[in-house]
Amino acid sequence: DGGITQSPKYLFRKEGQNVTLSCEQNLNHDAMYWYRQDPGQGLRLIYYSQIVNDFQKGDIAEGYSVSREKKESFPLTVTSAQKNPTAFYLCASSASRGWVTQYFGPGTRLLVL
Amino acid sequence: DAKTTQPPSMDCAEGRAANLPCNHSTISGNEYVYWYRQIHSQGPQYIIHGLKNNETNEMASLIITEDRKSSTLILPHATLRDTAVYYCIVRVATWAGGTSYGKLTFGQGTILTVHP
Repeated sequence: DGGITQSPKYLFRKEGQNVTLSCEQNLNHDAMYWYRQDPGQGLRLIYYSQIVNDFQKGDIAEGYSVSREKKESFPLTVTSAQKNPTAFYLCASSASRGWVTQYFGPGTRLLVL
Repeated sequence: DAKTTQPPSMDCAEGRAANLPCNHSTISGNEYVYWYRQIHSQGPQYIIHGLKNNETNEMASLIITEDRKSSTLILPHATLRDTAVYYCIVRVATWAGGTSYGKLTFGQGTILTVHP
């Protein structure tokens, strides 16, 4: 089955620690995205990548980093510089030209200890 | 991007059709109407999109008025699992450059509650 997988489902971060959220897709999509969702709020774009080895900052990139070494993978690192990381993180992908049709993963909920 | 207006909440009986309206009176000629939904604690799910003709897929039907200023998403036989927040988005379908690329902006949406 084609789709997007995210792991882990829940992640706990200690103060000052970097954590990496995994996102893998087997849809052969060129474009991938990371969003953050806070309780009762909409999605906010963190980073996006239109093609391998290229990525762009979204609206709230500070305190986050990404890499895109393979077409199917787009991991997100939440660094210690992100002072309020507790949120629901969503990864999505799309065919580049049809970018509004985005397919989302199940999400990772990050909690700070 | 055209602004959309949706009712904050709707109820539907299980097995009946759910008709979710969306107003987008400022839509421009090259903008499509997209529908997504988000079930609690899950990622958003793409449902359907259209430009001016009515569209149907395995999940739903989309009816767009002739003047394209409003549309209706129809779930023909709603089930309890269709309880979710439904979002109507109006966007250009292909990337034309600029800083808006990639950013799906969901408004408040309509909370659809399907009850037994």
